[in-house]
Amino acid sequence: QVQLQESGPGLVKPSGTLSLTCAVSSGSIFSNAWWSWVRQSPGKGLEWLGEIYHSGSTNYNPSLQSRVTISVDKSKNQFSLRLSSVSAADTAVYYCARVRNSGVGPFDIWGQGTMVTVSS
Amino acid sequence: DIQMTQSPSSLSASVGDRVTITCRTSQSISSYLNWYQQKPGKAPKLLIYAASSLQSGVPSRFSGSGSGTDFTLTISSLQPEDFATYYCQQSYTTPRTFGQGTKVEIK
Repeated sequence: QVQLQESGPGLVKPSGTLSLTCAVSSGSIFSNAWWSWVRQSPGKGLEWLGEIYHSGSTNYNPSLQSRVTISVDKSKNQFSLRLSSVSAADTAVYYCARVRNSGVGPFDIWGQGTMVTVSS
Repeated sequence: DIQMTQSPSSLSASVGDRVTITCRTSQSISSYLNWYQQKPGKAPKLLIYAASSLQSGVPSRFSGSGSGTDFTLTISSLQPEDFATYYCQQSYTTPRTFGQGTKVEIK
């Protein structure tokens, strides 16, 4: 069973850049799936940030497109999120997740999530 | 963006009750609708995909129906472990969007 694990700093300064990595284990990032980032602000709902295919193709949420970059490292079987110019509004639990069935499927596998706080 | 509207936002129910949650989308998404369960401090868990297909390992008391713009998640007999927040999500197009959630609480 494929497993996902997020890692990265839990504290980021305002105006800085948030960087997280999602390691894919017990499976290949070359599978027919898109690899996504989803966040959840404290006490709030779920917000999709963007996704990447192993070819490097990406889709981003237009609400964040100017600030978000998702990349893939095929040699390490992992993908990453960078969110620039962060503010307190970006404080959230960040999840990585797999979208199966070439993009029209659900988020069927999720990482456990990592809390990121934006504060000086 | 496709807007997702869930109702109700919260409900109180007893063990054994039949519970129904609805999700309406701002445009037709065929059957590209998924349902998730989330418990505090945990990642969402996939319950139903493609509107009515039960994810492997999910109890059969969960079922989904609908197509187009109107969808329903039904729990046929609520169990203690089902008290959680439920989200719908469309996979018809990007940006992928979620409903605001329905919190199921103990009466």
